Amino acid sequence: AQRVTQPEKLLSVFKGAPVELKCNYSYSGSPELFWYVQYSRQRLQLLLRHISRESIKGFTADLNKGETSFHLKKPFAQEEDSAMYYCALRQGTSGSRLTFGEGTQLTVNP
Amino acid sequence: DTGVSQDPRHKITKRGQNVTFRCDPISEHNRLYWYRQTLGQGPEFLTYFQNEAQLEKSRLLSDRFSAERPKGSFSTLEIQRTEQGDSAMYLCASSLSVGRGQYNQPQHFGDGTRLSIL
Repeated sequence: AQRVTQPEKLLSVFKGAPVELKCNYSYSGSPELFWYVQYSRQRLQLLLRHISRESIKGFTADLNKGETSFHLKKPFAQEEDSAMYYCALRQGTSGSRLTFGEGTQLTVNP
Repeated sequence: DTGVSQDPRHKITKRGQNVTFRCDPISEHNRLYWYRQTLGQGPEFLTYFQNEAQLEKSRLLSDRFSAERPKGSFSTLEIQRTEQGDSAMYLCASSLSVGRGQYNQPQHFGDGTRLSIL
């Protein structure tokens, strides 16, 4: 069975500071990893996925299979980054269900 | 707006009543998913359809729950004899699965239906 762990429920940083949201997973096969974000009063939306290897809104995430991690990073946090962030895993590119972590509430203070 | 649409947004009902939720996916998406989210938790998978076929059900989906997608377009999720523990946000998502290897594009979520059991 697969599992996703986000060890921090709450994370608070100041504007301009670096931010790292941690995500660890357990899965025996080749996973596909995602970060979803939910801004206040909005629906859950895809932020990025590991196979795209792209930067979205200044965020990046690298899949580390050795450490089974997919941490989300941004060098300079902005107030508009304040949101709930969920890490999610899927069983490869043809997989169906997403397994989500419990989420991390990020607050960027002015 | 061509996103995933869910109805109603909120549902308040008494314990023991039946409730039904509707989800309209993005029109060209052939896969449709239902998730449940309780306070402080991430979404948990319930079931999914490819076109009209229900291909997977979670153990969370007790026999009081039934989902349908009769024409491969919209879907309904019904809960019979509701219990206090059914109070949650019910999320619908859809995606497009393409190609012989059935590559599954990322899922797009609706706003959810919040169910409160009195």
